[in-house]
Amino acid sequence: QSALTQPPSASGSPGQSVTISCTGTSSDVGGYKYVSWYQHHPGKAPKLMIYEVTQRPSGVPDRFSGSKSGNTASLTVSGLQAEDEADYYCSSYAVSGWVFGGGTKLTVL
Amino acid sequence: QVQLVESGGGLVKPGGSLRLSCAASGFTFSDYYMSWIRQAPGKGLEWVSYISSGSSHTYYADSVKGRFTISRDNAKNSLYLQMNSLRAEDTAVYYCARVGGGSGSYYRDWGQGTLVIVSS
Repeated sequence: QSALTQPPSASGSPGQSVTISCTGTSSDVGGYKYVSWYQHHPGKAPKLMIYEVTQRPSGVPDRFSGSKSGNTASLTVSGLQAEDEADYYCSSYAVSGWVFGGGTKLTVL
Repeated sequence: QVQLVESGGGLVKPGGSLRLSCAASGFTFSDYYMSWIRQAPGKGLEWVSYISSGSSHTYYADSVKGRFTISRDNAKNSLYLQMNSLRAEDTAVYYCARVGGGSGSYYRDWGQGTLVIVSS
């Protein structure tokens, strides 16, 4: 299984919006409405932020939103806050299992 | 509150074996599919294996197929990963994760991970 492609880094100032992309193929991202996003602070358990492309679990601020167009999914964080600084990983269901992105380190300037 | 606590990691020589465990609490373990996911040092996440709620279905990443075996004991609320013929590239933090309900396409809860180092 090939990893999904994410930019290694992204940044924004407090209050700004930032969008992280996640590019796959028609066999994963483009073929299913099953993209999820995870926030990971090193040393802690990853946390589900978005599932099924656009759904937000209870307890996740509505500043986090997801979308998809073709083979590329996106996570947008609006109104950036200091605690949003973390690694973010996308994932997609695929025929042969699940595939993850390489991760994007989000820095709040 | 959901808790997933991994254990069993450590240092092992290439070709050796290790068995990871994940103790689950805070939910009805027998109702949920479970997975193991790993993260090599400096790398992204990699899905490893998946097991259905009643153990009837198991799936593996190509990188571990034939060497790793996932299992569970619903009476003990525990998930396991038997890792044989370990290689240096298996060095990673291994996470236990609960598959979300509905579509079952995402991981609702994760543990904090256990570190496996394969080195001579």
